[in-house]
Amino acid sequence: QQPVQSPQAVILREGEDAVINCSSSKALYSVHWYRQKHGEAPVFLMILLKGGEQKGHEKISASFNEKKQQSSLYLTASQLSYSGTYFCGTETRMEYGNKLVFGAGTILRVKS
Amino acid sequence: DVKVTQSSRYLVKRTGEKVFLECVQDMDHENMFWYRQDPGLGLRLIYFSYDVKMKEKGDIPEGYSVSREKKERFSLILESASTNQTSMYLCASSLWDLAGGPGTQYFGPGTRLTVL
Repeated sequence: QQPVQSPQAVILREGEDAVINCSSSKALYSVHWYRQKHGEAPVFLMILLKGGEQKGHEKISASFNEKKQQSSLYLTASQLSYSGTYFCGTETRMEYGNKLVFGAGTILRVKS
Repeated sequence: DVKVTQSSRYLVKRTGEKVFLECVQDMDHENMFWYRQDPGLGLRLIYFSYDVKMKEKGDIPEGYSVSREKKERFSLILESASTNQTSMYLCASSLWDLAGGPGTQYFGPGTRLTVL
């Protein structure tokens, strides 16, 4: 039931773009995106709710297709500071309250 | 700023020992979570709590238990540590969001536990 993230890893040069995908086999209520820099705690980037909205945070944006149970994270004109591991968390229903299940992560490395 | 603190950054224990990992949050969050992080497996939920004295099993609860006696504190207990429990352990807390979901999670710095 863990969402599937792809690719597992990607290496970019500064200024290049990247897309990270997240897909689930379950009906989703929302998708969360987090970034974890090496040796640090994961930090929240954004949440996408049902409705197919797209959100942005600086040059990082994301979309959520609830029918396909997929979300994509778009990183444009990447910077060195974007390096880290990106996790998607998918919200699914449980009887006592929804829970978040995280994917295995996508390692992003931006080189100068 | 939300602050989530964990009792130790590094911990080394022996097989069979009882291990306590403590987590404290200072923002009056209802929800608290324990995850373990292993390379290639991401963040896997061990236990969570939506209220004081309330606990629910996550995806990998075997070999672990938890305690939440106060709202701000959530403890993870390894009753008898084993080498396969060597991992990074992350605690997180959150408020319910407006849609009733688990909300934005704020993570602690993690405890790297090694069981010899």
